[in-house]
Amino acid sequence: DSGVTQTPKHLITATGQRVTLRCSPRSGDLSVYWYQQSLDQGLQFLIQYYNGEERAKGNILERFSAQQFPDLHSELNLSSLELGDSALYFCASSARTDMNTEAFFGQGTRLTVV
Amino acid sequence: AQSVTQLGSHVSVSEGALVLLRCNYSSSVPPYLFWYVQYPNQGLQLLLKYTSAATLVKGINGFEAEFKKSETSFHLTKPSAHMSDAAEYFCAVSDQDMRFGAGTRLTVKP
Repeated sequence: DSGVTQTPKHLITATGQRVTLRCSPRSGDLSVYWYQQSLDQGLQFLIQYYNGEERAKGNILERFSAQQFPDLHSELNLSSLELGDSALYFCASSARTDMNTEAFFGQGTRLTVV
Repeated sequence: AQSVTQLGSHVSVSEGALVLLRCNYSSSVPPYLFWYVQYPNQGLQLLLKYTSAATLVKGINGFEAEFKKSETSFHLTKPSAHMSDAAEYFCAVSDQDMRFGAGTRLTVKP
């Protein structure tokens, strides 16, 4: 158990809908990362937050947004969903923002858009 | 921006044989490099990391990786494959944020 909790584990929704994925980092970790894993794109970095502030942005679509709350949990919001958004979404956390610190991954949320 | 390239999306070895998974990095600054493993239906788990203390890094489950600056490589090896090593392996480089390679799926044949 990595200590990172993601909910829900599975999500099935229709095109055009909006969903929210939730992540609770390991106790004490200030950094949260979101990744998307799909068969055709592999593991793609979406966005990183550190102590509530956006730290780095990767290949995140404008339809997607994220935030980190004062209690350090994070939410990834996906809107106007398309079939191609079906993927496994991972959250990871690390203790610091300096990048020699390994990230600990949650089990992921599998999103299926129908 | 930093990136990693994993050569070979799929590697197949026999049980007891040497495992070699290749990773080359591109970074404008001395990199921090990682290998992660992903078992089916699970999240990624850290195998080992390079942080410039030593060029040969030992990780969990008998894996190790050698940092070669002249070759910009960080290949992962294990002397003797076990059936339980079958998984997907990701190389990652970290500068401002952590970027992963495309992954290499390791199959171990009995």
